[in-house]
Amino acid sequence: AQTVTQSQPEMSVQEAETVTLSCTYDTSENNYYLFWYKQPPSRQMILVIRQEAYKQQNATENRFSVNFQKAAKSFSLKISDSQLGDTAMYFCAFMKDQAGTALIFGKGTTLSVSS
Amino acid sequence: DVKVTQSSRYLVKRTGEKVFLECVQDMDHENMFWYRQDPGLGLRLIYFSYDVKMKEKGDIPEGYSVSREKKERFSLILESASTNQTSMYLCASSSPLGGGSPLHFGNGTRLTVT
Repeated sequence: AQTVTQSQPEMSVQEAETVTLSCTYDTSENNYYLFWYKQPPSRQMILVIRQEAYKQQNATENRFSVNFQKAAKSFSLKISDSQLGDTAMYFCAFMKDQAGTALIFGKGTTLSVSS
Repeated sequence: DVKVTQSSRYLVKRTGEKVFLECVQDMDHENMFWYRQDPGLGLRLIYFSYDVKMKEKGDIPEGYSVSREKKERFSLILESASTNQTSMYLCASSSPLGGGSPLHFGNGTRLTVT
C-alpha cells in the first residue's frame, strides 16, 4: 500500500520569503503521479502542481516549484516570494499510473504567511 | 472550468438519522470520489465510482454507502448517523483519460451529528 507523509504540521513565513514544505512517500510502483493541493480558509481544494514520476525535470508553476527526488521518494514544494494569499493548508498526494484511481493524501501542512 | 457542486455547505443532523450528501459535476467525468477530512488525519477515501452504478470501497467505508444512478451525480449515504461521523466531507471528480488526471473538488459539506 502507498503512504504519504508530511512531517511539518505547521509552518510560518514572512511575506516575500521562500518556504519549503516537505513530503515523502512510500510505493513499490515505478510509474505514478504526485500532486500538491492547496486548501485556503474557503475550503476549496486547488491544484497547485503536478509531477509525473517518469519525468526527471521538476515541475514549476509561477512561484511554485517542486524538488522531486525519485530514489529518495521525496517531493517537496517550494513557494517563492510568499504572499498573504498563500496562507492555506497544503496537501501532498500520490496517484498510481492507472486510469480512474484515487488520490492518497498526506495529513497536510498549515502554512501561515504574515506581513 | 470543471464545477463540482455539493448540495449543502453546512448540515446538522441527529444521531440515528439517515443522511444524504449530494454531489453533482458538470464535466461528464466518469470518476467520482467521496473523501472525509479530519484535523490531523488529512483526507481519507470513503468510496469512489468509475462508472454509473459502479462503486468501490475506499479506506474507511464502514457506516457509509453510496449511490450513482446518473453519471453526473454521486451521493454519500449515512444509514444511521453517529457522532463519530461529524466531519468535513469532500466530493471530487476526474476524467479517466489515462493516469494522473487531477481530481476536481467541491467546496465541502461540514456535517455535525448531535
